[in-house]
Amino acid sequence: QVQLVQSRAEGKKPGSSVKVSCQASGVNFKNVGFSWVRQAPGQGLEWMGGIIPVFRTINYAQKFQGRVTITADEITSSVYLEVGSLKSDDSAVYYCAKEDFDLIGTQPLYHGMDVWGQGTTVTVSS
Amino acid sequence: SYELTQPPSMSVSPGQTARITCSGDALPKQFVHWYQQKPGQAPVMVIYKDIERPSGIPDRISGSSAGTTVTLTINGVQAEDEADYFCQSADSSGSYKVFGGGTRLTVL
Repeated sequence: QVQLVQSRAEGKKPGSSVKVSCQASGVNFKNVGFSWVRQAPGQGLEWMGGIIPVFRTINYAQKFQGRVTITADEITSSVYLEVGSLKSDDSAVYYCAKEDFDLIGTQPLYHGMDVWGQGTTVTVSS
Repeated sequence: SYELTQPPSMSVSPGQTARITCSGDALPKQFVHWYQQKPGQAPVMVIYKDIERPSGIPDRISGSSAGTTVTLTINGVQAEDEADYFCQSADSSGSYKVFGGGTRLTVL
């Protein structure tokens, strides 16, 4: 059974950074990708970026370029999201999600985010 | 930046059919996936690749696609279907993903 377990809630000061972890079990890291998605209180889902560990391919939403870093550790089957220069409007629930894909030539064709972590609440406040 | 457009809300009576649309210029080239989210819970994928249903999702939930609009259809709506529904796709390159704004489905 595939499961994603995320790190616990964090409280941070403005200007600091946070690193959220997501450990996968029952997943073959060689043929999956992972996305990070956040949800501010009362708002919709926002894609932040994604990684395909086996190809070391990482894409970031334009809004987060330069402020967000996504990494993966195949040994521990974990993916990480680090957000720097935190502001109050970064307060949100952060989710990791697994995506299967097929390769069409060199391009991945994703099958959607079929397994989600439980979410990590990050609160940014002075 | 690329956007997907959904109606913000919809209300249906039990037993009726709910149709939630999602529009975007790149949809003829990119698959759409749909997620259901109930309060305080992580999203759950209910349709992937426009029309495919994951195991465990009831067959009264279906997806369809026509040009720049895709539709999530829930036949015989039940109280348990009350939730937020989000479509998700990618830009024309396929590398950058995007969610629609979400549709709150209320079962009267």
